[in-house]
Amino acid sequence: SQQGEEDPQALSIQEGENATMNCSYKTSINNLQWYRQNSGRGLVHLILIRSNEREKHSGRLRVTLDTSKKSSSLLITASRAADTASYFCATGGWDYSSASKIIFGSGTRLSIRP
Amino acid sequence: DTEVTQTPKHLVMGMTNKKSLKCEQHMGHRAMYWYKQKAKKPPELMFVYSYEKLSINESVPSRFSPECPNSSLLNLHLHALQPEDSALYLCASSQGGGGALEPQHFGDGTRLSIL
Repeated sequence: SQQGEEDPQALSIQEGENATMNCSYKTSINNLQWYRQNSGRGLVHLILIRSNEREKHSGRLRVTLDTSKKSSSLLITASRAADTASYFCATGGWDYSSASKIIFGSGTRLSIRP
Repeated sequence: DTEVTQTPKHLVMGMTNKKSLKCEQHMGHRAMYWYKQKAKKPPELMFVYSYEKLSINESVPSRFSPECPNSSLLNLHLHALQPEDSALYLCASSQGGGGALEPQHFGDGTRLSIL
């Protein structure tokens, strides 16, 4: 089942501009993660934000989380051609068993124009 | 380079064939996963192994049979697949001790086509 909805579904921006993607989810979460997938490749973990955190940074990435609105955003600053990829949010619940089960959102396809 | 290795990268098989997908990781992770991904869709969880035991089966048809021979290896045995099973099959691993808090590491997948 799909937990998160992302918007926009597709985004095309000029190199150097900032890109913002949004993720909304339905149920209570323990954490939210963002992943990147280049065409024909596997997913790469970008950042994890816990439910008690509001903002997190990693290099050119900034993630915010608003649990009251059940939403998160991913901001990529000063975009580069190499940022062209699909981006997925993924939510983790409160299951503390040894196996993690995360549910992916629908994804945003980002294209960076040179 | 990815730390999770999947073979083969591409596989074409008929509906009556039997084949296996393989996944290997040497990060000491104790949880391993199989996902199925259709074009322009998010990955869908199929199976989770935790400490070499099957812990989650997302109601996957029996024509898909997972196996975890040891903590580094994960196989997915395929038999009598249907054309709608054509997809990218992704393997992932995670450290296994953090419950729902840990990132997953993905391989580059096997692109499977059923004729």
